[in-house]
Amino acid sequence: EDQVTQSPEALRLQEGESSSLNCSYTVSGLRGLFWYRQDPGKGPEFLFTLYSAGEEKEKERLKATLTKKESFLHITAPKPEDSATYLCAVQAGAGGTSYGKLTFGQGTILTVHP
Amino acid sequence: EAQVTQNPRYLITVTGKKLTVTCSQNMNHEYMSWYRQDPGLGLRQIYYSMNVEVTDKGDVPEGYKVSRKEKRNFPLILESPSPNQTSLYFCATTAAVGQPQHFGDGTRLSIL
Repeated sequence: EDQVTQSPEALRLQEGESSSLNCSYTVSGLRGLFWYRQDPGKGPEFLFTLYSAGEEKEKERLKATLTKKESFLHITAPKPEDSATYLCAVQAGAGGTSYGKLTFGQGTILTVHP
Repeated sequence: EAQVTQNPRYLITVTGKKLTVTCSQNMNHEYMSWYRQDPGLGLRQIYYSMNVEVTDKGDVPEGYKVSRKEKRNFPLILESPSPNQTSLYFCATTAAVGQPQHFGDGTRLSIL
């Protein structure tokens, strides 16, 4: 069974205080690992897709990395507007019985104080 | 403009009264799926469809039905809703497996 565990559940940072969010996963043949941001009352908003171990992607203050067992979302010098819930998801690849199925973690609630 | 449209956005109903939540997309995407989101449990996939007339169960399909008769629509049907199906529901679409999903604005269902 595919599983995604995110840690910590909640993270409070001061503005400018860099940190990392963790996403540990098990999946039958990884087709892709996704990071999303979700603001209260809204649908998730896409941030990054990672496909293979060693891959890294960056966007403004965010950087996502991937190993065979986990992914990290690094936040450098965060601002209050980065406050949101960050979701990680894995999608099963071909070869298993759950090709195309998406499994999300429970999310990390990030709060950045000015 | 690329859109995923869910209706209704809010619904309060009673146990056992059949309901349908519609999802429509204008991006000609192959893949569509439904999720429910509950506090502390994150997003859980209910059903997904990789093409017309093709549907597969996600992690929590019990109590739900779906159909994919045309590419743009993927309705979620609750034949006999129960209070444990009170939740926030999202529809999402993507061009293909491995591509990022576009989410709708959500439907908040309350079943009394």
